[in-house]
Order: sequence, then structure tokens, then C-alpha cells
Amino acid sequence: QSVLTQPPSASGTPGQRVTISCSGSSSNIGSNYVYWYQQLPGTAPKLLIYRNNQRPSGVPDRFSGSKSGTSASLAISGLRSEDEADYYCAAWDDSLFYVFGTGTKVTVL
Amino acid sequence: QVQLQESGPGLVKPSQTLSLTCTVSGGSISSGDYYWSWIRQPPGKGLEWIGYIYYSGSTYYNPSLKSRVTISVDTSKNQFSLKLSSVTAADTAVYYCARALGYDFWSGPPDRWFDPWGQGTLVTVSS
Repeated sequence: QSVLTQPPSASGTPGQRVTISCSGSSSNIGSNYVYWYQQLPGTAPKLLIYRNNQRPSGVPDRFSGSKSGTSASLAISGLRSEDEADYYCAAWDDSLFYVFGTGTKVTVL
Repeated sequence: QVQLQESGPGLVKPSQTLSLTCTVSGGSISSGDYYWSWIRQPPGKGLEWIGYIYYSGSTYYNPSLKSRVTISVDTSKNQFSLKLSSVTAADTAVYYCARALGYDFWSGPPDRWFDPWGQGTLVTVSS
């Protein structure tokens, strides 16, 4: 039921900057906040970004979020091996349900 | 520090009802600041929001599952529960419970996100 589209994969070498896109519509990203979650292999998802670009305490400032129109992006700068994970964007829809993105697997080469 | 733990049968037969419970520790489920949510993830696939509940019993469900889902809360046990009826193999997934925090606006969708999450429990639908 995902209505937020992400690239299936992204990769980079240690120290590089990786960007993940998230494309939605006027009824979700276009009019509501975007959130990002990180899911390390075999574990539950963890909140990474809320309200488009806010980091919870404990999340390194290497992670940053942005939003423009009906799209959003997550950037990981100074890529590290421990960043290898699945990343999901999410947003509320105006019809009052929460939608997740299709997910992006980040590989550290 | 709030922690959540899912529990329930790992195997459910097709057409039956899936029932799971989430036990909250380290904080009160009756805190007015939070909703309590269920989210699932089929093996190898993405995340799907099922719905959430306020301690008073107010619920919000994913429209795609609404006809089969019931989420309830037991404040005396600091638990909330999920029931999903008429299950099929497509309901096989890891089911997570999570706390939803943030802010509700006067109208329209809220500004809420999920943190923390339980470790998840795999439920397989098979005869």
C-alpha cells in the first residue's frame, strides 16, 4: 500500500555522502511532515528524523532531512559501515492514515 | 525509559483471528501525550501502519485494514492489543508495537511519529 516511492538501493564508500529520495503527493508529503526511520539488519526500525529535519537526541548530525514540495530527502554524510541498513520515509496522509515509503537499502562499499 | 514487548501466538490458521498484546514498561499507557500503535512488516518487504489507540479508547485505523482490525487498551495492565480477523497468508508478517508521540492538530492529520518500537514478533498464517 506504499504511496511514497523510494529508490530500492543506494551505496557509497566510507566517508562519502549518500542521498535517498522519497516521492509522494500533495495529500501526504505535500501537506504534512516527513519522518525517517532506520532499520538495521534483523532489528526493529528506529526513528531517525521527525518533522522533516529534526533529529532525536542520540542521532548523529551526519543524518539530515529536507523536504521540498511533494518530495523529501535523507542525506547521510561521512558514511560509516554501521549506516548499512534499510531506510524508510513516512508521512501522514490527509485521509488520516500513516504511509511508509517503499524503503531503500543502503550498502557501504 | 519506555519499553514495549509484543506477545502472542506465532502461528495462526487461515480464516482465524490473529491476536497480539503489547506490554508497556517504564511508563504509563495512560499518559495523555501518546498514542499506542501497531505496525507490520511482511518478510522481506516494507512497513505498513495498522492503526493506533489513545488510552481513552479512541482508535484510528488504516483504511485498507479497517474492516478486519480491532485495537483495544487495558490501562490496568498497561497493555494494548491487536485483533485481525479472517487472516490469510498475506497477513504473515513481523508485527511491531510502537509508541506514537507528537502533536494532534485541531483538524486534519496529526504530527506524530513512532518511537520507541518493540522488538517485533513474527506471525505466520498457515494451516
